[in-house]
Amino acid sequence: DAGVTQSPTHLIKTRGQQVTLRCSPKSGHDTVSWYQQALGQGPQFIFQYYEEEERQRGNFPDRFSGHQFPNYSSELNVNALLLGDSALYLCASSAIGSGSYEQYFGPGTRLTVT
Amino acid sequence: AQRVTQPEKLLSVFKGAPVELKCNYSYSGSPELFWYVQYSRQRLQLLLRHISRESIKGFTADLNKGETSFHLKKPFAQEEDSAMYYCALRSGSARQLTFGSGTQLTVLP
Repeated sequence: DAGVTQSPTHLIKTRGQQVTLRCSPKSGHDTVSWYQQALGQGPQFIFQYYEEEERQRGNFPDRFSGHQFPNYSSELNVNALLLGDSALYLCASSAIGSGSYEQYFGPGTRLTVT
Repeated sequence: AQRVTQPEKLLSVFKGAPVELKCNYSYSGSPELFWYVQYSRQRLQLLLRHISRESIKGFTADLNKGETSFHLKKPFAQEEDSAMYYCALRSGSARQLTFGSGTQLTVLP
């Protein structure tokens, strides 16, 4: 099991553009959470998907949206990119359907907005 | 709203010395507290949680509700303990984690 995988590893976008990040959860996991980690800070919760629905959301604007597919993989979309969106985006999976809230993290996608 | 504070961004100790990484939290209910670790070029991983009261790699952490603290301790630091450590809180039925800003621990030879 490769664990949680994320793609791409890193990318560079221009202000105003849109970006899609992808996450495949650990085998047997049904829940995906997304976090933003700015330089020098801890991860900050964006939102969580379970059963293809957004279940909880942190303090992020509507420019941040997501999706979960029937195979439990997930996408994070960010519209109208701002310089401040430059960060490491982490995906974490868990098996909430089995009653386990322990989150396993992926390696992250490094987004740079110029 | 919940908050996790790690007052030290950087902490250096010599090999064999005791180490304590501080974590304070604010939350009105009964939280679950965790320590996550990130070694160089590796992903974030769970080190320990207060509920299990276990010792992992020689590290322990006790939840002190009176002082709202969850400090991470190890009596004899090893060079391989050098890493970034994050304290995190999960509150009640909420499923997300609230992280502190992290402490970079360096264990000197």
